[in-house]
Amino acid sequence: GAGVSQSPSNKVTEKGKDVELRCDPISGHTALYWYRQSLGQGLEFLIYFQGNSAPDKSGLPSDRFSAERTGGSVSTLTIQRTQQEDSAVYLCASSLGGAGGNYGYTFGSGTRLTVV
Amino acid sequence: AQSVSQHNHHVILSEAASLELGCNYSYGGTVNLFWYVQYPGQHLQLLLKYFSGDPLVKGIKGFEAEFIKSKFSFNLRKPSVQWSDTAEYFCAVNAGAAGNKLTFGGGTRVLVKP
Repeated sequence: GAGVSQSPSNKVTEKGKDVELRCDPISGHTALYWYRQSLGQGLEFLIYFQGNSAPDKSGLPSDRFSAERTGGSVSTLTIQRTQQEDSAVYLCASSLGGAGGNYGYTFGSGTRLTVV
Repeated sequence: AQSVSQHNHHVILSEAASLELGCNYSYGGTVNLFWYVQYPGQHLQLLLKYFSGDPLVKGIKGFEAEFIKSKFSFNLRKPSVQWSDTAEYFCAVNAGAAGNKLTFGGGTRVLVKP
């Protein structure tokens, strides 16, 4: 597509429920990134995909967080047993080529997750 | 681990005033540097970037940034702001050893009063 698409745009869930966040990157972008933006905070790196593999998942906060990418395209971030501290805006970005930092990212609009 | 510091969390200024936002990073090797902007209700957009060459880089909407290697800084400037520059600004660094990810600063919220 023309841009990075994320869905849903907003998600309210009850504490303890599982949620899935979806990211559809720009066609042809091999690198995909997930970040988290909490209120008043900067962007916190979660995980990086190159194709379908995740060479860097160092930012995932706990084993409740997982992500996958299929077909070198769509990625899903799953949060199990959500907690209130998981409330944040989850941002996805894609980049052309393996050295994503050199090209810069194109960001999606994010999913605002609220855990009540 | 690399880190990025943005000194000002909030900046309020009037139209036509000059703007300078500070950014410092901690990494001794080769870096790629970025400024992103997030206008109210919009997604993050690339404002400008530095990879190599002239340390003074010009971006969109009249913004520029200067890379000073000795100070580990990449400050953003605009000589005369407009109300439409109201946004949150993020500095980001990609360091070779850190692989492909960008490390972002905490952001600076800029409010331009008309």
